[in-house]
Amino acid sequence: AQTVTQSQPEMSVQEAETVTLSCTYDTSESNYYLFWYKQPPSRQMILVIRQEAYKQQNATENRFSVNFQKAAKSFSLKISDSQLGDTAMYFCAFSAGGTSYGKLTFGQGTILTVHP
Amino acid sequence: EAGVAQSPRYKIIEKRQSVAFWCNPISGHATLYWYQQILGQGPKLLIQFQNNGVVDDSQLPKDRFSAERLKGVDSTLKIQPAKLEDSAVYLCASSGPGQGTYNEQFFGPGTRLTVL
Repeated sequence: AQTVTQSQPEMSVQEAETVTLSCTYDTSESNYYLFWYKQPPSRQMILVIRQEAYKQQNATENRFSVNFQKAAKSFSLKISDSQLGDTAMYFCAFSAGGTSYGKLTFGQGTILTVHP
Repeated sequence: EAGVAQSPRYKIIEKRQSVAFWCNPISGHATLYWYQQILGQGPKLLIQFQNNGVVDDSQLPKDRFSAERLKGVDSTLKIQPAKLEDSAVYLCASSGPGQGTYNEQFFGPGTRLTVL
């Protein structure tokens, strides 16, 4: 069974600054995917970024980037130039590959507040 | 293109009553998921459908929860009888070809259930 751990229940950052959210996971799978999801107060879960485990290059999506350390089973999210609209709960999630793809295991979440 | 639709958005019931939630996935999406998200926690997968067949229901409390996906499109999740610990947000998600990255899960707004 997979586990995903987010050790930061809450984080805060000033607008325009950079913040990093931490995530560690445990799995015996060799083929898997990692995700960061954003859940604003409206509750609509939105995919922020995805990383395939077989790729060495860290994924980036505009202001969002990850630091994927496969050996350490670490998957952090960096948000650059933080904006007020980034305020939300952020979840790290894991999915095995192959026929198990799509079954997401989520961490406990990190509440991020961006202050003006 | 329309997203995942869920109804109702909110539901309050007494314990031991029955309740049903409805989900309409994105058109053309073959895979549908139901998640339970207890306040302050990450979502937990309850059941996964591929078309109208169940792929994984290992975490569905089958003594009280049931789900169906008739004709491989809409889905309903039912709780009978409800317990206090069923208070949560129930999220529906769908994935498949035709929108965005293949196998990306798109989430609905959720149904917040309160059991008194």
